[in-house]
Amino acid sequence: AQKVTQAQTEISVVEKEDVTLDCVYETRDTTYYLFWYKQPPSGELVFLIRRNSFDEQNEISGRYSWNFQKSTSSFNFTITASQVVDSAVYFCALRAILSNTGKLIFGQGTTLQVKP
Amino acid sequence: DVKVTQSSRYLVKRTGEKVFLECVQDMDHENMFWYRQDPGLGLRLIYFSYDVKMKEKGDIPEGYSVSREKKERFSLILESASTNQTSMYLCASSFRPQGSPLHFGNGTRLTVT
Repeated sequence: AQKVTQAQTEISVVEKEDVTLDCVYETRDTTYYLFWYKQPPSGELVFLIRRNSFDEQNEISGRYSWNFQKSTSSFNFTITASQVVDSAVYFCALRAILSNTGKLIFGQGTTLQVKP
Repeated sequence: DVKVTQSSRYLVKRTGEKVFLECVQDMDHENMFWYRQDPGLGLRLIYFSYDVKMKEKGDIPEGYSVSREKKERFSLILESASTNQTSMYLCASSFRPQGSPLHFGNGTRLTVT
């Protein structure tokens, strides 16, 4: 079975703090993709990053960084020096290629509130 | 930039009505999807389509149907709306390769009274 767990339902930080959003996934497939999406109050989900199962290299994009560890089945997302504009719901998602017809499975989301 | 456009931002319908939610994408994507989003339940896949006139059931297809007559347009149909279909509906599209990210529309908040 495919599953994505985002154990943190809500996180509240003060601006300029660093914050890490956790994502743990389950799949028996050896080939899969992991994604992070951001959903600001406007409602539209915005694609942030994709990682395939063969690439465990961490990635940094500005204040955002992602830590992919197959050994712990985790794909965590860190925002450095958070800003009010980072306030949103963040979703982690899994797409296993062979099973589940390649459907995108979402976690339940983490609501991040960044206070000024 | 990819543009996925959902025809209505807010919709209020009565129980028993037939409801059409329309979605159009402008990037020639093969795949299109309909999700619903509910508090505490995240996003759940209703139906998806990987080609014109093709459709596959997602995790919660009951009470819904879809239509894809043209590549750019994917319609979600509520045959007889019920109050438990009050939700946020999100349309998405992507290229066929499995690693392609989904691009989402702004969503339609449907209220069934």
